[in-house]
Amino acid sequence: DVLMTQSPLSLPVTLGQPASISCRSSQSLVYSDGNTYLTWFQQRPGQSPRRLIYKVSNRDSGVPDRFSGSGSGTDFTLKISRVEAEDVGVYYCMQPTHWPWTFGQGTKVEIK
Amino acid sequence: EVQLLESGGGLAQPGGSLRLSCAASGFTFSSYAMSWVRQAPGKGLEWVSTITFSGGSTYYADSVRGRFTISRDNSKNTLYLQMNSLRAEDTAVYYCAKSGGFKDPGDYWGQGTLVTVSS
Repeated sequence: DVLMTQSPLSLPVTLGQPASISCRSSQSLVYSDGNTYLTWFQQRPGQSPRRLIYKVSNRDSGVPDRFSGSGSGTDFTLKISRVEAEDVGVYYCMQPTHWPWTFGQGTKVEIK
Repeated sequence: EVQLLESGGGLAQPGGSLRLSCAASGFTFSSYAMSWVRQAPGKGLEWVSTITFSGGSTYYADSVRGRFTISRDNSKNTLYLQMNSLRAEDTAVYYCAKSGGFKDPGDYWGQGTLVTVSS
């Protein structure tokens, strides 16, 4: 199975400051069609997960542009340019390239 | 508006069975792959199973293969998860999730249904 490793697991951030979450996969996430499938989800407290980013860097509709995804191969990053109070929650990366699909452990973002 | 409404959760005994349903609306259900993802209390997300738009192919996590069966009824816009031989470690909130493209899962999620396996 592809192991997804996120860091840090806990991220205290000051409002208005940037935040960055790393996600590394144990295998390349480049699929046979040439695309790289790496997805980011946000889960606010008490809510269902919400997709933020798909195929490494494509932002979902309605997702603020302060969220961005980047990376290639086995090394990926989710960045929040200026953290707002509503960004508190747990962030997960996930790879749907290889079966079984696997999630990272999650990164808890909190306000300092 | 896309809506996914799970039901069927509850308390089951070890070795018992439950069938979860996910009623979909607001999109052409028969055109999209669907998945089940679970979350044990206080833990992270775990992918459980995926079914293609037609139901012709299914995929399972090793932890549930042989015990769980994913299916869909496109005439009823409903996704199912038949869970047999339940174990304590299956206790979790189960979410159904729609895919955008086949390998772009989770563009929409339901609210989840809690399954508790305990004697």
